[in-house]
Amino acid sequence: EAGVVQSPRYKIIEKKQPVAFWCNPISGHNTLYWYRQNLGQGPELLIRYENEEAVDDSQLPKDRFSAERLKGVDSTLKIQPAELGDSAVYLCASSSDTEAFFGQGTRLTVV
Amino acid sequence: AQTVTQSQPEMSVQEAETVTLSCTYDTSESDYYLFWYKQPPSRQMILVIRQEAYKQQNATENRFSVNFQKAAKSFSLKISDSQLGDAAMYFCAYRRGATGNQFYFGTGTSLTVIP
Repeated sequence: EAGVVQSPRYKIIEKKQPVAFWCNPISGHNTLYWYRQNLGQGPELLIRYENEEAVDDSQLPKDRFSAERLKGVDSTLKIQPAELGDSAVYLCASSSDTEAFFGQGTRLTVV
Repeated sequence: AQTVTQSQPEMSVQEAETVTLSCTYDTSESDYYLFWYKQPPSRQMILVIRQEAYKQQNATENRFSVNFQKAAKSFSLKISDSQLGDAAMYFCAYRRGATGNQFYFGTGTSLTVIP
């Protein structure tokens, strides 16, 4: 069974530029999460989807971040414009039951 | 809101020895799950072990076991016969039971295994 796939693995952009991250969850998993992990910290939830519906996006900075999950499968997380403080690892995870399965994450560096 | 606390930012253990990582959590729920995830330098979070709150028996997975103290809200991970490949960040996580799907993570413990 294929795991959670994220791309790209690394991204370096200049501040004020846009950036997008893509996630393909495990087949059949209805719940999809986007987490942000700052250096030396644990993951913090940005948004959670149940199928196509965003059911928890209270931590998503909506002035610059947006996300979508079309057809309840793949998801895209976008930042526009990026700020220096957005440098972090962005993790995608999916779940069908009690545990979450994670992708390898995207390391974003904003310079 | 639920909080998960890992009070040991760094731990080290001699190869083949045993180490215990600590975790405490705060919740008013009675139905929940607890997890230990391992994050090696590759960044992918890997599930090590999980515990259902309604189960009194401590979970065990090969060399990994937990000490779940529900009344004390404590959930420690014991790694026996430590191996070099165990070196990683370890995160304790909490998830509510039937009422929610969100995971709450601690700040992690960096484990070094000394050859």
